[in-house]
Formats: sequence, C-alpha cells, structure tokens
Amino acid sequence: NAGVTQTPKFRILKIGQSMTLQCTQDMNHNYMYWYRQDPGMGLKLIYYSVGAGITDKGEVPNGYNVSRSTTEDFPLRLELAAPSQTSVYFCASSQQGASTDTQYFGPGTRLTVL
Amino acid sequence: QKEVEQDPGPLSVPEGAIVSLNCTYSNSAFQYFMWYRQYSRKGPELLMYTYSSGNKEDGRFTAQVDKSSKYISLFIRDSQPSDSATYLCAMKGPDSNYQLIWGAGTKLIIKP
Repeated sequence: NAGVTQTPKFRILKIGQSMTLQCTQDMNHNYMYWYRQDPGMGLKLIYYSVGAGITDKGEVPNGYNVSRSTTEDFPLRLELAAPSQTSVYFCASSQQGASTDTQYFGPGTRLTVL
Repeated sequence: QKEVEQDPGPLSVPEGAIVSLNCTYSNSAFQYFMWYRQYSRKGPELLMYTYSSGNKEDGRFTAQVDKSSKYISLFIRDSQPSDSATYLCAMKGPDSNYQLIWGAGTKLIIKP
C-alpha cells in the first residue's frame, strides 16, 4: 500500500510556463484534495473532489485547474505560472463516511516560480 | 480575525519536558478537532482526533477541548527529540463533509 503518491518532488518553473502536478492514491478513497502550504500560513485548500467526475473550488482556486477521471488520480494543472504560486503543494485523500474521515497526505511537491 | 489561531513558534524545550501546544478558534459550530504532526519535508499525518469537548489520551499524547473557551490543547509528556516537528490543529463543523479549517502550525524543537 503506497498511500498517496505525488510527482514530481521538486520543480522550478519560469513565469508563464505551465505544468501538471500528479497525485495518485491506492486506498480507494472517494474524497481527494489539493492544498498549498506557505511558510507560517498553514494549509490552504485549492480544489477538492468528492468522486470521479466531480470537482469543486476550495479557498484559493485562482490560477489552477483540476480533473478527476478515475478514483485514483487527481492531477493539478498550473497555467501561466506566477511567482505567487511558489509553494509546497500537498495532495490528500479521505474516505467520507468513515468514523474519523482522516485525511492522508502525500509527501508534497516543492514548486518555485522564477 | 482568522478562524483558527495558532502560535507558529518555534517552541524549544529540553528532552523530557511536558509540552503544551494550543489553538483558539472563533466558530462555535466546530465539533471535530484534530492534531496533525508534520515532520520536515513530509506531509502531515493525523495524530489525535477528538469529537466535542473533553480529553483524549493516547500514550504520551493528550488532546483537550474546551468548547466554552473555544480552546484546544495538545500535551506531550516525556518529550523526545523524535517529537520535533510542526504540529497543526484542524477542525470542522457538523455541516462540512470535507473542509477542514487549519491552524498555521507550531514548530516544536526538543533539545537532547
């Protein structure tokens, strides 16, 4: 059981470039999330998904897009990267309806936009 | 005012000390309270989960919720260098199926 995996681990982008952050979970969880974490700021929810084909905006969705075609995968797309998107990105999953609906996190992707 | 306030630290204590980590919140509807631990360059992992008020103990860790004061605490007894991490509080209300409200995290350093 690998849990939640994310690729790449690190990436440097130039302003205006685009990229996709990959996230896969093997726990058959229905809910998946994308967060960004800036120093001293906690976790901010970007997008979430309650199941394949269903996504919705979180607290800070501008500049990002997501899709969820399968239960396992939830990629995050950055279009026209900006320095304000320099952050650590975490993908997480949870099984709603479970007793604690614990969110399980991946190891993160460190993104720098120059 | 943020919905959840948490002192970012760092908090540095000697090995063996009792550690107290705290969060305050403003939304009286919050009923589910969690503490996540995050080691450097890793994702957060759930440490403690508490519903409503009261105490919950798990080994050296005790989570405490005081809803009347809108205040939650995590106590670590006999602290170890391996407890050095960032501790994030998170909480949610009964109507939220998914969205956790997070504190900023407190960086804890246990000195050998």
